[in-house]
Amino acid sequence: TQLLEQSPQFLSIQEGENLTVYCNSSSVFSSLQWYRQEPGEGPVLLVTVVTGGEVKKLKRLTFQFGDARKDSSLHITAAQPGDTGLYLCGRIENYGQNFVFGPGTRLSVLP
Amino acid sequence: GAVVSQHPSRVICKSGTSVKIECRSLDFQATTMFWYRQFPKKSLMLMATSNEGSKATYEQGVEKDKFLINHASLTLSTLTVTSAHPEDSSFYICSARPWTANTEAFFGQGTRLTVV
Repeated sequence: TQLLEQSPQFLSIQEGENLTVYCNSSSVFSSLQWYRQEPGEGPVLLVTVVTGGEVKKLKRLTFQFGDARKDSSLHITAAQPGDTGLYLCGRIENYGQNFVFGPGTRLSVLP
Repeated sequence: GAVVSQHPSRVICKSGTSVKIECRSLDFQATTMFWYRQFPKKSLMLMATSNEGSKATYEQGVEKDKFLINHASLTLSTLTVTSAHPEDSSFYICSARPWTANTEAFFGQGTRLTVV
């Protein structure tokens, strides 16, 4: 199982600020998923990136997959309190037999 | 997105008893289901992977006799915590991978288990 690293681990910002969180691995991803988890709930899939250099937008969220497919970033524009949560990157390995996650970035957006 | 239903959402049990948690994919068939445990303010720790009709594959350090996993159909997997102890108290989450996709999985709502 290849490890996923995420940074920063914790982030606390004011409403309206922009932020970027990162997901990295020493090995190449075939694909990568980003999830958001709120307290007491299961993670919710935000996006899947597959192609190196790919950029996907989901309202105020912009996801980028590195050209070498070893890293990915999530940028949030004008953060809102509703963006608060644990952001996880994850990937399925071994032909769908392993699904592992990074340690997550815990985001708190203060009103 | 696809819907995965996990039941119960909360359960309190006495030490020594067993608890069963169900994970159902409601609108797709799931060849593979994953079970996770999550400690407070931590990420998800993969416990085991189950394939329909096969024995589950457990991650290192996870006791298979303690955490019994059954994946009897393409839409249902169960996790039974046997002879529960207070240290088993945790948030347990399942996810299911559609048989049509190797790249995505969808999560249940989680089960908060408290052993008293």
